[in-house]
Amino acid sequence: DTEVTQTPKHLVMGMTNKKSLKCEQHMGHRAMYWYKQKAKKPPELMFVYSYEKLSINESVPSRFSPECPNSSLLNLHLHALQPEDSALYLCASSQVLNQPQHFGDGTRLSIL
Amino acid sequence: EDQVTQSPEALRLQEGESSSLNCSYTVSGLRGLFWYRQDPGKGPEFLFTLYSAGEEKEKERLKATLTKKESFLHITAPKPEDSATYLCAVRPNDYKLSFGAGTTVTVRA
Repeated sequence: DTEVTQTPKHLVMGMTNKKSLKCEQHMGHRAMYWYKQKAKKPPELMFVYSYEKLSINESVPSRFSPECPNSSLLNLHLHALQPEDSALYLCASSQVLNQPQHFGDGTRLSIL
Repeated sequence: EDQVTQSPEALRLQEGESSSLNCSYTVSGLRGLFWYRQDPGKGPEFLFTLYSAGEEKEKERLKATLTKKESFLHITAPKPEDSATYLCAVRPNDYKLSFGAGTTVTVRA
């Protein structure tokens, strides 16, 4: 079992809905990441948080809004998504930025 | 631009048949090369980090090696439970992992 927990495991939403993805780790890691992975493709970095501050936004559309309420929790707020946003959304954490990243099992998101 | 190329794309092995996966990379200033294993419907599972040419790491039936231009993941006497997609990634800076497309390994009993 992974030490990075993501909920929900599956999410189906309409294009006008607002939903949130949640990621939690209790390893004391101070860097957390969001990735997007399409079928048969490698993960692509979306956002990076370091010490609860947003460090990197890889030109992600504003319909994705990250939030890091504390050092253990990372959220991804979703609004007005498009069908092409359907993917596996992965959260990862590392002790600090330059250490190996450990991934959760992801949220499988489907946009109707 | 950083590039990571993995070969082959797919590998079918008989149980006990050893083989190697290749990861070639072009990156300006390597800050680590990483191997992950990903099972269907799961997130990538961290296997190894290699930092300098000549470095080797081992875990059970897996052994990773690194040269200045490529890395190999050797699978010795594989078992069906070694079936997975193996991802190679390089870190060109402190925060980003640039992944290759992966090699899907299927081990038949």
